[in-house]
Amino acid sequence: AQTVTQSQPEMSVQEAETVTLSCTYDTSENNYYLFWYKQPPSRQMILVIRQEAYKQQNATENRFSVNFQKAAKSFSLKISDSQLGDTAMYFCAFTKAAGNKLTFGGGTRVLVKP
Amino acid sequence: NAGVTQTPKFRVLKTGQSMTLLCAQDMNHEYMYWYRQDPGMGLRLIHYSVGEGTTAKGEVPDGYNVSRLKKQNFLLGLESAAPSQTSVYFCASSYPAVALSYEQYFGPGTRLTVT
Repeated sequence: AQTVTQSQPEMSVQEAETVTLSCTYDTSENNYYLFWYKQPPSRQMILVIRQEAYKQQNATENRFSVNFQKAAKSFSLKISDSQLGDTAMYFCAFTKAAGNKLTFGGGTRVLVKP
Repeated sequence: NAGVTQTPKFRVLKTGQSMTLLCAQDMNHEYMYWYRQDPGMGLRLIHYSVGEGTTAKGEVPDGYNVSRLKKQNFLLGLESAAPSQTSVYFCASSYPAVALSYEQYFGPGTRLTVT
């Protein structure tokens, strides 16, 4: 079974600065997908960024980027130029290519301070 | 498109009561899922469906039943509610063939309290 671990329960960052969230996972699969989801106080789950395991290039979406280290089974999220609207819970998630069921980490609460 | 909708948004039940949560999606997605989220935790998969008429157990299926009679709807039932089922329930859907992205689209959640 796959497991996803987020070791930072909570992080705070000043507005306009950068914060990095860590995520490690355990799997015997070679082909899989990794995601970061954002959950603001509204509870809505919003996809932030995705990474295909077969791609060596790290994914980037505007101010969000990942550092994917396949051998180390690590998938960190960097938020650059943090904005107040980035305040939320962030969840790392994993799915096998064929299974399509998501396994979530426990989440990291990010607080952006003005 | 409304995306994924859930009914109701909030519900309070007494122990032993039953209820059904309805999830609907208008994106013609094949796959649908039910997750629960407990305080301070990530989402855990309860049941899922890979197509109309099919369902399968997820990580935490005990105490729940599901049905997928129509492609666009996925129902989650609690036959005899227990306080341990107090949680926020999320429905999601996906269409694996689209760009092979495996992205799941989530509903807004249902907050259920069992007293």
